[in-house]
Amino acid sequence: DAGITQSPRHKVTETGTPVTLRCHQTENHRYMYWYRQDPGHGLRLIHYSYGVKDTDKGEVSDGYSVSRSKTEDFLLTLESATSSQTSVYFCAIRESVLGTNEQYFGPGTRLTVT
Amino acid sequence: EDKVVQSPLSLVVHEGDTVTLNCSYEVTNFRSLLWYKQEKKAPTFLFMLTSSGIEKKSGRLSSILDKKELFSILNITATQTGDSAIYLCAVQFAGGTSYGKLTFGQGTILTVHP
Repeated sequence: DAGITQSPRHKVTETGTPVTLRCHQTENHRYMYWYRQDPGHGLRLIHYSYGVKDTDKGEVSDGYSVSRSKTEDFLLTLESATSSQTSVYFCAIRESVLGTNEQYFGPGTRLTVT
Repeated sequence: EDKVVQSPLSLVVHEGDTVTLNCSYEVTNFRSLLWYKQEKKAPTFLFMLTSSGIEKKSGRLSSILDKKELFSILNITATQTGDSAIYLCAVQFAGGTSYGKLTFGQGTILTVHP
């Protein structure tokens, strides 16, 4: 257990509404990532963070923003949700304390945009 | 363009069979290749491979990397119904600005029948 939680675990929202997903870790890891998983696409990186207030875009960042104001929390915001953002969202951390660089995933958030 | 390709995309076998899953990649700044198993929840870490020719083994699962031919295989011997899952391959990037982000293949769906 890498000490990663995500909230909410399930959410249904309407097109055009803002949505924020939260990832929380208890292990003090520096690196955190947001991925989305869709059938036929594997997991695709949305945004990542390499420290407090340090974030960068991944391969599918359009329509998403992130914030990391403290080490343990990484927030993903959909400013105006669209149906194409219906997906399962996974947060991940990269193990940096032991230096193994393995990535571990949170339990996921299933988001449905109607 | 960086890409990771897995084959086959799906595979159906019977208990006791041996399976080989393939992952090929074309990426810049390769650091390591990771294998994950995903049942009806978050991906769980199996192996990280960084050096060619060194087999990693865990019970009935084993994996090896060929950095010259740019591929990895995941072997599962004496398959059981509990091995049914999606197996994901991902490449981790090296370099100061990559911060360990992963690019995933599409996944292989393995179904093991009793």
